[in-house]
Amino acid sequence: SYELTQPPSVSVSPGQTARITCSGDALPKQSAYWYQQKPGQAPVMVIYKDSERPSGIPERFSGSSSGTTLTLTISGVQAEDEADYYCQSADYSGTWDWVFGGGTKLTVL
Amino acid sequence: EVQLVESGGGVVRPGGSLRLSCAASGFTFDDYGMSWVRQAPGKGLEWVSGINWNGGSTGYANSVKGRFTISRDNAKNSLYLQMNSLRAEDTALYYCAGRYCSSTSCYDYWGQGTLVTVSS
Repeated sequence: SYELTQPPSVSVSPGQTARITCSGDALPKQSAYWYQQKPGQAPVMVIYKDSERPSGIPERFSGSSSGTTLTLTISGVQAEDEADYYCQSADYSGTWDWVFGGGTKLTVL
Repeated sequence: EVQLVESGGGVVRPGGSLRLSCAASGFTFDDYGMSWVRQAPGKGLEWVSGINWNGGSTGYANSVKGRFTISRDNAKNSLYLQMNSLRAEDTALYYCAGRYCSSTSCYDYWGQGTLVTVSS
């Protein structure tokens, strides 16, 4: 089955830049989304269609893609950004074969 | 105010059945594709099933195919998940989620989840 691969953890100091990657063979052909999940809360979409930011999401969140790898970049990380981050996309077969990456725990030191 | 409120979770024995419901309000429900996403305790997100705006297209994760059935009633602004032949590994918090993407933007809403525990 199709998989999206993320690093289990990323650590940065406040004010630095955090980069979280997501790799998957179908990523060049399918839109991807990034979610932030804080403990005890539902996920919140922070990036859609690879690089677009929903209204209400701080400008320090950005997304990019290159080949089979997506990157979520958080510039000027703040303590409140500590959370689990998940990428989500679909495999080649279409609309309803969603998959989530395994998640990345962002720790703000 | 947008709300997605899940219900129907509980404790069930292996092999049993449950029907989850999700009541939507505050947005145009029949514009949205809807999904069920689950999260086992201490684990990551797992997509379970999805359905398009009119119910004409559905999909299931391999782990639930043949056991779970997704449906929706746009007249009642509601989403459902019929879960049969439940297994211990189905134990999780089940989220209802909706997404609508236009040519220029995407909107995405999640409920707070309903807990399903499969245990003897």
